[in-house]
Amino acid sequence: QQPVQSPQAVILREGEDAVINCSSSKALYSVHWYRQKHGEAPVFLMILLKGGEQKGHDKISASFNEKKQQSSLYLTASQLSYSGTYFCGAASGGSYIPTFGRGTSLIVHP
Amino acid sequence: KAGVTQTPRYLIKTRGQQVTLSCSPISGHRSVSWYQQTPGQGLQFLFEYFSETQRNKGNFPGRFSGRQFSNSRSEMNVSTLELGDSALYLCASSLIRATSGSTDTQYFGPGTRLTVL
Repeated sequence: QQPVQSPQAVILREGEDAVINCSSSKALYSVHWYRQKHGEAPVFLMILLKGGEQKGHDKISASFNEKKQQSSLYLTASQLSYSGTYFCGAASGGSYIPTFGRGTSLIVHP
Repeated sequence: KAGVTQTPRYLIKTRGQQVTLSCSPISGHRSVSWYQQTPGQGLQFLFEYFSETQRNKGNFPGRFSGRQFSNSRSEMNVSTLELGDSALYLCASSLIRATSGSTDTQYFGPGTRLTVL
């Protein structure tokens, strides 16, 4: 079953922060995060494994909440280059095969 | 270091035909995963190959198959093409298995856009 991403779309000004959530109906083993710009291939951001860890990648970080069966992606001080569609891939049910959400469209304006 | 390459970039086929897509991973990477991306279904995992063996497979019919060679290059094959197979097919490579619980970075190729008429 597909994880649910929220919000579906976010519009920001440069420098603002955003949070994208990825929720699963099943117990999560791992969550993958990707960004894809229009007409391009996805770019891998990070994978988080169960354990409630938080990872960071420049000004982009993510958390994994096993209890809530949810992962959140945090984008701080957003830059124009952050624009794109963010996907989460959630692995659950004893398998590390990801099922992907429908994506969150992020637009950063100057 | 050269990135992941996929050939061909674009392909047009008709229903009933078969197609083979190729993916060359980053040098030294032993894992190749394949994904299908469509506007309707989004991104879906097809399968992963590691050391010439299929390690995991997504929920796709048997018409979708693949293989990996000793140099880690991978091919995927779709037989008896259907209109619904029109999609962007992406491959991604990583050093170690992507579906084993590792946190290794995956690198995507540009994709092959397949259109089935």
